[in-house]
Amino acid sequence: QKEVEQDPGPLSVPEGAIVSLNCTYSNSAFQYFMWYRQYSRKGPELLMYTYSSGNKEDGRFTAQVDKSSKYISLFIRDSQPSDSATYLCAIWYGANNLFFGTGTRLTVIP
Amino acid sequence: DADVTQTPRNRITKTGKRIMLECSQTKGHDRMYWYRQDPGLGLRLIYYSFDVKDINKGEISDGYSVSRQAQAKFSLSLESAIPNQTALYFCATGGGSGETQYFGPGTRLLVL
Repeated sequence: QKEVEQDPGPLSVPEGAIVSLNCTYSNSAFQYFMWYRQYSRKGPELLMYTYSSGNKEDGRFTAQVDKSSKYISLFIRDSQPSDSATYLCAIWYGANNLFFGTGTRLTVIP
Repeated sequence: DADVTQTPRNRITKTGKRIMLECSQTKGHDRMYWYRQDPGLGLRLIYYSFDVKDINKGEISDGYSVSRQAQAKFSLSLESAIPNQTALYFCATGGGSGETQYFGPGTRLLVL
């Protein structure tokens, strides 16, 4: 079983839609939960991170963690064409134990 | 200027050739990492270094070697390139506990 599982998509939505991206993980020791955004031909860039269960908001983005279900989500409100990218979840539990999901490719259609 | 730079950005080489990918950072981070990214497999860790004297193998180190020349420089070498090493390679740095990493723009490598 992989440490982190992520639906690869692709996901295509109209502009203005609410987007939900999800990952599950296997190790309850995981401490930090992150979302990276990767534009085509670019390196991943950190979008959000949190270390507790519940929601964390940053503008149109909300990261949600449910430790009891080992499930994390990223919600994008009022999605824009500039949000079109691959989104990777990443989970860390100390030292070098950082695990990435395979990424979900999102396209927002104008 | 970019905090993490990689050279070259694109490279085509032939089977059996030795090549080196270079990474430099201006973030002042001690931790540096090399990953490869393949479709459907995500990011996989090749090697990592917590400081100049500390080098560690990652998940997929076979066929690769690294050199940490200075805090700011971390190079990845393919001793004898093979076609299944065709991939997108990323260097990353990390500060503090290492939970967040900052990636370079990537090197696209094609081995013929």
